[in-house]
Amino acid sequence: QSALTQPPSASGSPGQSVTISCTGTSSDVGGYKYVSWFQQHPGTAPKLMIYEVSKRPSGVPDRFSGSKSGNTASLTVSGLQAEDEADYYCSSYGGSNNLIFGGGTKLTVL
Amino acid sequence: EVQLLESGGGLIQPGGSLRLSCAASGFTFSSFSMSWVRQAPGKGLEWVSAISGGGGTAYHADSVKGRFTISRDNSKNTLYLQMNSLRAEDTAVYYCAKGGVSTTPLDCWGQGTLVTVSS
Repeated sequence: QSALTQPPSASGSPGQSVTISCTGTSSDVGGYKYVSWFQQHPGTAPKLMIYEVSKRPSGVPDRFSGSKSGNTASLTVSGLQAEDEADYYCSSYGGSNNLIFGGGTKLTVL
Repeated sequence: EVQLLESGGGLIQPGGSLRLSCAASGFTFSSFSMSWVRQAPGKGLEWVSAISGGGGTAYHADSVKGRFTISRDNSKNTLYLQMNSLRAEDTAVYYCAKGGVSTTPLDCWGQGTLVTVSS
């Protein structure tokens, strides 16, 4: 199965909101609620930010929110802060016992 | 506190074999699916393998099927990835993660171990 499609880059100024999209198909993103988002700072391991489309793990600020419409999932970061600058990856259950990741989006805080 | 510590990475020649280990602590290891995810230098994340809590069910990505085998020893709280017939394109940082492909998200990750396949 092909990787999910994410924009290579996104940016926003401190305090603004930015939304990152993650497009798949009806066989993955559109077919299941198992969409997650991960944040990765350079040289570090990924960190789970959103799971099951819109749920936040304990400790993740409520500035991070997730949603889904059809075959496209979205991550919105509100009230951008300098520490939000990182790479963001989406993932989705792809059916047939496999997990698919997006190509990643580099978020820049201007 | 959940901790995952990978080991076993290194430089290996094409066609060679390597076994990665992931020592887990801070949670009931046998109750959770576990996964391996890799990241080639400068590239994105790629799911490799997952295994159920009891170890009875394992899944592998098509790119490694028949070459890699995931396993676990719940008595030692340790996850493994046996990698055979290694190729240059297997070069990556390999992360161990708590969770599986669907109902249990990848909610905790190790620091990763680098595998370099080169002659």
